[in-house]
Amino acid sequence: NADVMQNPRHLVRRRGQEARLRCSPMKGHSHVYWYRQLPEEGLKFMVYLQKENIIDESGMPKERFSAEFPKEGPSILRIQQVVRGDSAAYFCASSPLEARGSGANVLTFGAGSRLTVL
Amino acid sequence: GENVEQHPSTLSVQEGDSAVIKCTYSDSASNYFPWYKQELGKGPQLIIDIRSNVGEKKDQRIAVTLNKTAKHFSLHITETQPEDSAVYFCAASSRRSGSARQLTFGSGTQLTVLP
Repeated sequence: NADVMQNPRHLVRRRGQEARLRCSPMKGHSHVYWYRQLPEEGLKFMVYLQKENIIDESGMPKERFSAEFPKEGPSILRIQQVVRGDSAAYFCASSPLEARGSGANVLTFGAGSRLTVL
Repeated sequence: GENVEQHPSTLSVQEGDSAVIKCTYSDSASNYFPWYKQELGKGPQLIIDIRSNVGEKKDQRIAVTLNKTAKHFSLHITETQPEDSAVYFCAASSRRSGSARQLTFGSGTQLTVLP
């Protein structure tokens, strides 16, 4: 997991503050995914990005959440005006360019960022 | 969209026994089925995967079987060891909105191997 770097590992915010989570994909990987894991639950897809493009954000809440993957630098998941329900582990995963016809993106996950909203 | 169900939610076995975790999926177009192991406080790690053109795959003590007709797949761990204790997630790759394929995860199985 260490090759997908996420920071911070732990983040504490008060209600109404902003949270920024960063993810650097594995070397050579051009696709980044964000998943959210609530306590004792599975991983829920949030957003899929390539450099400078959001490919699929169908799992993102419509308000307060945004994601980007700029040409230079890490991918960032931004949560504005956090509420207690945002407390969760946020995992980033990366994959190489999907080979045409392979029909599958093999994901490598980072260690996660654990957000606690007080 | 894809729906993946996973059973059981918890599983306890004696060291040396086998463990089996089962998943079903709903989208017949899904064609890639990975299994991830997540240890406490860590991210999920891919342990084995299978594609829809294969019925079974084995890697040392771990095997996965796929039944496309019934839309279910299973993880088998033989000769379990205490270090196998973790949460295991199955997943299925299906095409979500637009053209992007995504992984949909099951709800996880907490495996405990008792020494």
